[in-house]
Amino acid sequence: GAGVSQSPSNKVTEKGKDVELRCDPISGHTALYWYRQSLGQGLEFLIYFQGNSAPDKSGLPSDRFSAERTGGSVSTLTIQRTQQEDSAVYLCASSLDRVLSYEQYFGPGTRLTVT
Amino acid sequence: QKEVEQNSGPLSVPEGAIASLNCTYSDRGSQSFFWYRQYSGKSPELIMSIYSNGDKEDGRFTAQLNKASQYVSLLIRDSQPSDSATYLCAVKRDYKLSFGAGTTVTVRA
Repeated sequence: GAGVSQSPSNKVTEKGKDVELRCDPISGHTALYWYRQSLGQGLEFLIYFQGNSAPDKSGLPSDRFSAERTGGSVSTLTIQRTQQEDSAVYLCASSLDRVLSYEQYFGPGTRLTVT
Repeated sequence: QKEVEQNSGPLSVPEGAIASLNCTYSDRGSQSFFWYRQYSGKSPELIMSIYSNGDKEDGRFTAQLNKASQYVSLLIRDSQPSDSATYLCAVKRDYKLSFGAGTTVTVRA
């Protein structure tokens, strides 16, 4: 079946602009996760959704970052007033549920470059 | 101390040899353990998951878990050039995955 999809695959934006990144999880997966991968920082957790609610937003780096999920499916990660340090690959993952044994599958990512 | 630490690379092995990757973690409450493979410019791909102490084999891959020692390993037997990638160890507690920095493996023909 179809895997996790993300759009756009690449985004170049000017410092100070807002950007929206989209994630479409695997059909039937109730849990959705956002991660960020940047050079020298590895993969870091940003936020987790169970259904439409986000019980854990602790990984969001600042209040410029927000995310929502609608209909228990598509999620949007919004970065306001982008800064150069926001440049990274933003990865979305989904799993059947949050249960320990459920594996997380990643989408192809969105490469964000802030100039 | 980092939550998840992997042996520093890069690791270069000849084709057909065994590649051995190691990972230690600090949170004793961790309950699920995963290995992801990441090719350059691509996203992580899940290759192994292990939940209980002991060995788990899948094709040419064997994962080993020792919770008492807080240690996870991955063996790649009969290494192929297509195995050249960065391997990420991931540890899960509740819903959150914590990742190691990765070990880059190069299989030379």
